[in-house]
Amino acid sequence: DAKTTQPPSMDCAEGRAANLPCNHSTISGNEYVYWYRQIHSQGPQYIIHGLKNNETNEMASLIITEDRKSSTLILPHATLRDTAVYYCIVRVARLGGKLIFGQGTTLQVKP
Amino acid sequence: DTEVTQTPKHLVMGMTNKKSLKCEQHMGHRAMYWYKQKAKKPPELMFVYSYEKLSINESVPSRFSPECPNSSLLNLHLHALQPEDSALYLCASSQGLAGARETQYFGPGTRLLVL
Repeated sequence: DAKTTQPPSMDCAEGRAANLPCNHSTISGNEYVYWYRQIHSQGPQYIIHGLKNNETNEMASLIITEDRKSSTLILPHATLRDTAVYYCIVRVARLGGKLIFGQGTTLQVKP
Repeated sequence: DTEVTQTPKHLVMGMTNKKSLKCEQHMGHRAMYWYKQKAKKPPELMFVYSYEKLSINESVPSRFSPECPNSSLLNLHLHALQPEDSALYLCASSQGLAGARETQYFGPGTRLLVL
């Protein structure tokens, strides 16, 4: 199963872009990269997902390298409410779409 | 609307009690999930239901008994739990299990304390 590696913690100044990296060097061709975040004591919130191409939605952008071995989640203008644990997950298709959460990155947005 | 609701929000129970957690979604999703999250740890999958049938059981002890009475509802029946079962129990749903494109949407969770 493809595993992901994320830095345990990052800081970001309010109003600046937050760039969260993720390594998934063993990803298979049909596996998607998903990003979720979890604000303290709440359920995980879906942010974005992608396969090969870069993706953007109202919350964030996802940049996937051409070899698909790593990706970066970009929050363009971080606010204090973006302080959370961010999980990068490779969705394992052959296991019925099972999500395997890693330890994630704790993003602290500071004023 | 991507809302999954869970009740109760908090639950305290003794080791001899029987209780149930409830999860509901009205998005027409046909796959539903139970996850368990211990403090300061990531969520871990417990069960997956697809079209109201159990498709994955991650070797969960029998004191946890899932039930999917219809496509909108998922229950988790609890009996003879241990204090180490205290955790945040999360429900999620997705349109299906078709490949890797089915996004899971999570509820807010039930925080369980076993005394």
